[in-house]
Amino acid sequence: DAGVIQSPRHEVTEMGQEVTLRCKPISGHDYLFWYRQTMMRGLELLIYFNNNVPIDDSGMPEDRFSAKMPNASFSTLKIQPSEPRDSAVYFCASSPRTGGEENEQFFGPGTRLTVL
Amino acid sequence: AQSVTQPDIHITVSEGASLELRCNYSYGATPYLFWYVQSPGQGLQLLLKYFSGDTLVQGIKGFEAEFKRSQSSFNLRKPSVHWSDAAEYFCAVGAYNFGNEKLTFGTGTRLTIIP
Repeated sequence: DAGVIQSPRHEVTEMGQEVTLRCKPISGHDYLFWYRQTMMRGLELLIYFNNNVPIDDSGMPEDRFSAKMPNASFSTLKIQPSEPRDSAVYFCASSPRTGGEENEQFFGPGTRLTVL
Repeated sequence: AQSVTQPDIHITVSEGASLELRCNYSYGATPYLFWYVQSPGQGLQLLLKYFSGDTLVQGIKGFEAEFKRSQSSFNLRKPSVHWSDAAEYFCAVGAYNFGNEKLTFGTGTRLTIIP
């Protein structure tokens, strides 16, 4: 298995531009998670999906952020408009199921976003 | 709500020395506990996990961790570190029930290895 795939690996954009981050979870995993990692705030859960349905988006910082999962093999995290304070590493993770002994999340390599 | 505390922000250890990274959690029921490692520029990799049973769990790369319910701790240990162990280590706690699938991560401990 190729693991969780994220693209792009690096993104540099200017303030006000739209940014779209992409994630392909591990095949057969029911859960998909989006995290943001910064020096100041550490690793924060933004949103997670179960079977393509958003379950908890309480970590999404504001309306400029949105996430979708149109099918079991693809998810996007969009920031519109982007701001310099959105600069961070964004991780996608997937899990086969949770609440049991398979409650383990597999992380992608991350997308490093820089907003100028 | 669950929470995790990693009291050591940065630890420096000589190569070949033993290592212990501390993790304390707060959760009202039986927790799931995890240690992840993050090398520079990489994603998080699972080192080991505890769900139930034996409180001493073995992981990859020679790491182990011990769950101590009375102390609400899940400290990570390695008897002899290698230069390749230099990385950031995250402890995480998860809920033991469906309907709460979040993992809560600690702030991490950065490990530096000196020759």
